[in-house]
Amino acid sequence: GQQVMQIPQYQHVQEGEDFTTYCNSSTTLSNIQWYKQRPGGHPVFLIQLVKSGEVKKQKRLTFQFGEAKKNSSLHITATQTTDVGTYFCAASSGTYKYIFGTGTRLKVLA
Amino acid sequence: KAGVTQTPRYLIKTRGQQVTLSCSPISGHRSVSWYQQTPGQGLQFLFEYFSETQRNKGNFPGRFSGRQFSNSRSEMNVSTLELGDSALYLCASSSGQTSGNTIYFGEGSWLTVV
Repeated sequence: GQQVMQIPQYQHVQEGEDFTTYCNSSTTLSNIQWYKQRPGGHPVFLIQLVKSGEVKKQKRLTFQFGEAKKNSSLHITATQTTDVGTYFCAASSGTYKYIFGTGTRLKVLA
Repeated sequence: KAGVTQTPRYLIKTRGQQVTLSCSPISGHRSVSWYQQTPGQGLQFLFEYFSETQRNKGNFPGRFSGRQFSNSRSEMNVSTLELGDSALYLCASSSGQTSGNTIYFGEGSWLTVV
């Protein structure tokens, strides 16, 4: 079945440093979504990528979808303490079913 | 517009008991999905309902079941609870019209099995 790997599992950065998490699927995807879950909270939708090679930006966050539509990345520039949380990718092969990656837990040290 | 509402928020059950969790999706949303979140396994997909029909199912044993009502509200049931069922159960709703719809999560129901 479809598998979604996300790395790294944990990342500690100093405030101001950059951060990147990667999501890799064993199958070609129809779209990929990214979510952020703050400690004690629930996942909140950040963005969706649909097109091959697509790049989207939200302020300090940059999202990319691979050319083969099997991988994606989320990059945060100059992290802030408000970026703390777990970032999940959610992959779909077009069946209304999303497989979530294992998540990357980001800790930002002030 | 009200978000996804889950009840109860917290509950403690004993091994062997059964539990029912409820989810009210965002008004107008017809798709409701359920996920189990544990520290070790992350977010695991349980099932998805659309217009009262189960449209997708994850790899969970038959002890986990769900249903959706005509008003799109959904319930999930876990019978013969095991210690390993302790988790945060998240409900998510979307319009469900296309596979790329945004998923909105509720705050979850924290289940502890003792």
